[in-house]
Amino acid sequence: NAGVTQTPKFRVLKTGQSMTLLCAQDMNHEYMYWYRQDPGMGLRLIHYSVGEGTTAKGEVPDGYNVSRLKKQNFLLGLESAAPSQTSVYFCASLVPGARGELFFGEGSRLTVL
Amino acid sequence: LAKTTQPISMDSYEGQEVNITCSHNNIATNDYITWYQQFPSQGPRFIIQGYKTKVTNEVASLFIPADRKSSTLSLPRVSLSDTAVYYCLVGVGYNAGNNRKLIWGLGTSLAVNP
Repeated sequence: NAGVTQTPKFRVLKTGQSMTLLCAQDMNHEYMYWYRQDPGMGLRLIHYSVGEGTTAKGEVPDGYNVSRLKKQNFLLGLESAAPSQTSVYFCASLVPGARGELFFGEGSRLTVL
Repeated sequence: LAKTTQPISMDSYEGQEVNITCSHNNIATNDYITWYQQFPSQGPRFIIQGYKTKVTNEVASLFIPADRKSSTLSLPRVSLSDTAVYYCLVGVGYNAGNNRKLIWGLGTSLAVNP
């Protein structure tokens, strides 16, 4: 049971390049989240999904797009990377209902030059 | 959306009990309170969760007053390995139709000294 797996774990991009971060979970969870974490900023919600085929904006969605074509996968895309998107990105999943627990991936460190 | 407020940092020594309090004045009726621990370069991991009164597990206790506008995480006899950032999260509940836009606070950076 792998839990939540993020790929890639590290990536360096040049300004204007595009890339996709993949989050995969094998727990059959309905809800999935993408967060970014910057020094002193805590976790900020980018986008989230409450089920296959649905997505919604979080606190800081600008510059990012997401897709949830399959229940187990949640993709985060950067169409034109900017230095301000240098961050550590965390994916998490949650099963709805009482006393849900968020399960996090190990993070993806992205540097935009 | 329940906003949380915690102290930015705390210091302690090995063997002491540490209490971290989180304020969540606009908590909703269905919301549970969950605490997470995060080490550098890792994702947060679940510590404890509660709805009201007191909850205890093998690593921590959680105290929630009757009005549920705050909660206190208690770590008994901390060790150096408890040095981490601790977050309280409000918003996970038992109504599947609720808004699931889980917003995190800044967390409390706990430093345990020898």
